[in-house]
Amino acid sequence: AQSVTQLGSHVSVSEGALVLLRCNYSSSVPPYLFWYVQYPNQGLQLLLKYTSAATLVKGINGFEAEFKKSETSFHLTKPSAHMSDAAEYFCAVSLMFSGGYNKLIFGAGTRLAVHP
Amino acid sequence: EAGVTQFPSHSVIEKGQTVTLRCDPISGHDNLYWYRRVMGKEIKFLLHFVKESKQDESGMPNNRFLAERTGGTYSTLKVQPAELEDSGVYFCASSPRPRLAGRSNNEQFFGPGTRLTVL
Repeated sequence: AQSVTQLGSHVSVSEGALVLLRCNYSSSVPPYLFWYVQYPNQGLQLLLKYTSAATLVKGINGFEAEFKKSETSFHLTKPSAHMSDAAEYFCAVSLMFSGGYNKLIFGAGTRLAVHP
Repeated sequence: EAGVTQFPSHSVIEKGQTVTLRCDPISGHDNLYWYRRVMGKEIKFLLHFVKESKQDESGMPNNRFLAERTGGTYSTLKVQPAELEDSGVYFCASSPRPRLAGRSNNEQFFGPGTRLTVL
């Protein structure tokens, strides 16, 4: 069965510092993986997705994630944090079904705080 | 293009009352999903519609929850009677029909959620 583990429910970084949010997945088939972000009072917004093409995936707002099959990981990084990156981040794996639809299995989320 | 909208944004009700949440998906999206996040836990799948038909309702907690999608457009999720443990944020998402049969890596577009508090 597919599952997702996000290490660290809260991460705090200084503005300008590296952001690293960890995600490990469990999947019996090649996974589709997603990172979503939720800014305060807003819905979930897709940051990036891995769909078996390039293992290094670039997303919006300078974020990227690398799919590592050997480590079953899909960690999210950004070289330099900005105050506006403060939000909650969710890693998800896509559970695929015949008929061409999917449902998402989410991790518990990581709340990122950025301080001056 | 308008995104997924949900109404209300917040709802506070007492235990035993009924609440109906509404989701309007992106126009033309056949797939509509409901998810729920209970405080401090992960976001969990509730159910999925393809147009007006329930494709998968394996995540519905119990028979106090009833979802409908009239005419394959908007969807409602009714909780009757509400219990304390139903409190949380209810998200709706939609996605288009896959371009290739049997293949879907489609992004799901999420609404802002409805925060339900049961007292």
